[in-house]
Amino acid sequence: DTAVSQTPKYLVTQMGNDKSIKCEQNLGHDTMYWYKQDSKKFLKIMFSYNNKELIINETVPNRFSPKSPDKAHLNLHINSLELGDSAVYFCASSQAGGRSTDTQYFGPGTRLTVL
Amino acid sequence: RKEVEQDPGPFNVPEGATVAFNCTYSNSASQSFFWYRQDCRKEPKLLMSVYSSGNEDGRFTAQLNRASQYISLLIRDSKLSDSATYLCVVRILTGGGNKLTFGTGTQLKVEL
Repeated sequence: DTAVSQTPKYLVTQMGNDKSIKCEQNLGHDTMYWYKQDSKKFLKIMFSYNNKELIINETVPNRFSPKSPDKAHLNLHINSLELGDSAVYFCASSQAGGRSTDTQYFGPGTRLTVL
Repeated sequence: RKEVEQDPGPFNVPEGATVAFNCTYSNSASQSFFWYRQDCRKEPKLLMSVYSSGNEDGRFTAQLNRASQYISLLIRDSKLSDSATYLCVVRILTGGGNKLTFGTGTQLKVEL
């Protein structure tokens, strides 16, 4: 009954590889997000999609490409992985991104380690 | 200057103590305010929203001072299970969506 799920939970890979992280929500929400939490525990938004349309892009390197095949899914593809990409990546969703009362629900996170 | 600033702690308190966390934010366009809780190696979860009039949820009381751009969280009668990192969060409505900006969190350890 997981509301926001992510796969994989752990991802260890070599520098230079390309990898994807998948996210799905079964809450019927319109808006989905990707956040990055670095080694200092600082959580920062990367992207937001509303009904498959990109609405927030926080100056993330273009090696990161989000893809939303439908409003229940938001995947993150990362090309040419670098050591600095090592972090925990959280997916989140909310009912309607434009409302101030909107609550975001987070997935369990994907811990990416780049060697 | 970070958009949302918090004392990182850790705050080590005995069970039953009252503990207060503070947070300041720099963007006066911030519209909504929250406290999230994050357990070790887990995702952040909404603890409570924060309103200008102040609001309470059981042992937790949140306050907002818009003039000073200051947010607080008070935990009374702390329990071992309150041990976690508490994240101060502000929301800014951007064109097309809403953006949550997180503080770096304040770590709380409640001890016997």
